[in-house]
Amino acid sequence: SQELEQSPQSLIVQEGKNLTINCTSSKTLYGLYWYKQKYGEGLIFLMMLQKGGEEKSHEKITAKLDEKKQQSSLHITASQPSHAGIYLCGADRAAGNKLTFGGGTRVLVKP
Amino acid sequence: NAGVTQTPKFRILKIGQSMTLQCTQDMNHNYMYWYRQDPGMGLKLIYYSVGAGITDKGEVPNGYNVSRSTTEDFPLRLELAAPSQTSVYFCASSYGTGLAGQYEQYFGPGTRLTVT
Repeated sequence: SQELEQSPQSLIVQEGKNLTINCTSSKTLYGLYWYKQKYGEGLIFLMMLQKGGEEKSHEKITAKLDEKKQQSSLHITASQPSHAGIYLCGADRAAGNKLTFGGGTRVLVKP
Repeated sequence: NAGVTQTPKFRILKIGQSMTLQCTQDMNHNYMYWYRQDPGMGLKLIYYSVGAGITDKGEVPNGYNVSRSTTEDFPLRLELAAPSQTSVYFCASSYGTGLAGQYEQYFGPGTRLTVT
């Protein structure tokens, strides 16, 4: 089993609807990163969370890290076709910046 | 600003052949990484380097070798290609770690490798 569990594995939403992706670890995380990957391309950095309870937003995307630093969520408001892709969470368990990644969530936005 | 570049983009190898995947970054980052991504899976760390002359194993190092003679370059070597090494390979770099926390990793576009 993966050390970082992402859910759901895939998601189809109607354009304009909201969506949420979850990332869960059984161990406390040193840092949590969210990346987006377009099909067949590299990863694009979205956000990094380090403090328990931290929340960050960029445009229509909001990421949160729980107080225990074991669970993070990524929320997209009023989804658009440009939000389609694979979303990956990556986590540090110690200093050193070596990331463990979740299995990814495939998002498809229907116009 | 090129960021992280990888060559080649695609490659087909026969079992037992060798090849080197090239990775270069122009951001003067200390840390560099190699990951592999299997279909439907997340990324797994193969090797990483915290600076020129220093490399260390990641989660799945078997069948691979790396070197870091310069800050810019971090090539990944496959000596005896096996079908299990069919994957997409990503190189990444980051400034490193600091007292203020961690730094995001910048990824290259990937190399799609098929071993038959």
